[in-house]
Amino acid sequence: QLLLQGSGPGLVKPSETLSLTCTVSGGSITTGYFWGWIRQPPGKGLEWIGNIHQIGDTSYNPSLKSRVTISVDTSKKQFSLRLSSVTAADTAVYYCVRHWGYHYGFIDYWGQGTLVTVSS
Amino acid sequence: DIVVTQSPESLAVSLGERATINCKSSHSVLYSDNKNYLAWYQQRPGQPPKLLISWASTRESGVPDRFSGSGSGTDFTLTISSLQAEDVAVYYCQQYFSSPPAFGQGTKVEIK
Repeated sequence: QLLLQGSGPGLVKPSETLSLTCTVSGGSITTGYFWGWIRQPPGKGLEWIGNIHQIGDTSYNPSLKSRVTISVDTSKKQFSLRLSSVTAADTAVYYCVRHWGYHYGFIDYWGQGTLVTVSS
Repeated sequence: DIVVTQSPESLAVSLGERATINCKSSHSVLYSDNKNYLAWYQQRPGQPPKLLISWASTRESGVPDRFSGSGSGTDFTLTISSLQAEDVAVYYCQQYFSSPPAFGQGTKVEIK
């Protein structure tokens, strides 16, 4: 069974950079799928952030593109999210996910989520 | 960008009764391969979303057959034929026809 486990600081100061890592277990990260991030502000809906293929090809939500970087380390079976210049509006549960098929395919695997609060 | 809109925002249904959730896309998600690029997810309280249905009507393995998806083009429906207590959740539709993939705002299903 494929498992995705996100990790990273739960508290980030305004204007700083949010950094999260997702570790993939129970399966390969090099099977041709796309690995990404989706966030959910408390009590609100789901927002796609972006994703990456094993070869490093990325796709980002235009609304966040200027602040987002997603990278992959296949040797560690990990992929990572960096979101710069954060504000309180970036407070959310961040899910690492696997996309089926292509950059914007449906999500067939979800991590448990990491709550990140932006506050001084 | 394609905008996806769900209705209603919430609904309360008696146990054993039918629940119906609607999803409307601002652009057709029917591709030239005759597939509708629309998925449905269930999010129980405190849990990540779970994929229920892809291609508008294909149930994932292990999903009870009381869940069904229908529709084509821009209008879709998720039906729970006989609501069970464990179905209390927020349900989301998502289009994956074009980037960025977009979710509806969610429909909260409760027991009446």
